[in-house]
Amino acid sequence: NAGVTQTPKFQVLKTGQSMTLQCAQDMNHNSMYWYRQDPGMGLRLIYYSASEGTTDKGEVPNGYNVSRLNKREFSLRLESAAPSQTSVYFCASSPSSAAYEQYFGPGTRLTVT
Amino acid sequence: GENVEQHPSTLSVQEGDSAVIKCTYSDSASNYFPWYKQELGKGPQLIIDIRSNVGEKKDQRIAVTLNKTAKHFSLHITETQPEDSAVYFCAALRRDSNYQLIWGAGTKLIIKP
Repeated sequence: NAGVTQTPKFQVLKTGQSMTLQCAQDMNHNSMYWYRQDPGMGLRLIYYSASEGTTDKGEVPNGYNVSRLNKREFSLRLESAAPSQTSVYFCASSPSSAAYEQYFGPGTRLTVT
Repeated sequence: GENVEQHPSTLSVQEGDSAVIKCTYSDSASNYFPWYKQELGKGPQLIIDIRSNVGEKKDQRIAVTLNKTAKHFSLHITETQPEDSAVYFCAALRRDSNYQLIWGAGTKLIIKP
């Protein structure tokens, strides 16, 4: 099993550009999550999907959209990137119907200039 | 708002000694407290968790203790080894959402040979 995979690993965008971060898991997990990690701030939840077909806002959803394409895939879209969105983005999944026992991907390092 | 404070931000211990990291949470209704380990360039990995109906949990060299009255929980690592060097994060589950964790800012643990 590959676990949780994320693409791309690195990305540089100019202000105003758009992009989609891809995430997939092969563990048949129900819930999936998108986090951002900034220095000295721990992780902050952007969006989550409790199950296929549902998505909900987390702590910092502004400037982002998500799609739970199917049970395996959960994508994060930045419609108009801003320098404040420079961060490391992590996708995670959990076999439970709650944020227990999350499995994280390797992350995407995004820089917006 | 709800928050989790984590101390210290950096901890340096001699190989073979014990390490203790402490977290304090604000919401007395939180009932799930995980600890994640993040190695350089990787996503966080769950190492141990505890629920509010248990005071202590052990897994080999790792233990977590919970004091609900004082609203704090701690990670204990005994007989530290070089591979324990990493950043450790604590978290608490929000009482109004089973899908949202509030994360501490992280502790960088350095094991000196």
